[in-house]
Amino acid sequence: SQQGEEDPQALSIQEGENATMNCSYKTSINNLQWYRQNSGRGLVHLILIRSNEREKHSGRLRVTLDTSKKSSSLLITASRAADTASYFCATHARTGGFKTIFGAGTRLFVKA
Amino acid sequence: EAQVTQNPRYLITVTGKKLTVTCSQNMNHEYMSWYRQDPGLGLRQIYYSMNVEVTDKGDVPEGYKVSRKEKRNFPLILESPSPNQTSLYFCASSPILGLAAYNEQFFGPGTRLTVL
Repeated sequence: SQQGEEDPQALSIQEGENATMNCSYKTSINNLQWYRQNSGRGLVHLILIRSNEREKHSGRLRVTLDTSKKSSSLLITASRAADTASYFCATHARTGGFKTIFGAGTRLFVKA
Repeated sequence: EAQVTQNPRYLITVTGKKLTVTCSQNMNHEYMSWYRQDPGLGLRQIYYSMNVEVTDKGDVPEGYKVSRKEKRNFPLILESPSPNQTSLYFCASSPILGLAAYNEQFFGPGTRLTVL
């Protein structure tokens, strides 16, 4: 079953604007990761946030985690046309083995 | 160069004809995994392996087999492919640092499989 679910499913913004994507999950997790995928290619890891962390930054990326609401958000600031891609959250549950569960993703389109 | 390789990249086959998709990583990672990606469904995990000879089912294992005889290789086997296995397949690997420390996964370029 899918644990991570992103919203919105698709997002279209102008270059220079900020993009925010949200991810919700269902069970307790060890950590949550965000990945990026360009048009049918392999996923690339962006950032990992552990269950005891609330916020993390990496360049123009800011990730927050609210374990009480079982949700995370990815903020991309000052977006660029090159940020156009699909973004996925992935979680690893505390129980049930070492499965990785991805959400359905958010498709981001940044207009130049 | 550290990488995960998959072969073939594209494959068209017919129902029932056994096939194997190979996956190899050169980073000495313990964890390896196979995913399938279908439109609107994101990535779904098929099988994963924590180390040599240790494999376990993901969310969608039916119709697939895997083996982990060597640390670097993790082939995906479709004994009798069916059209509903038409999909984009990704292999990934990751180091394991302690029991509860999951790390970033490195993905291969993908294998696009069509079963007629």
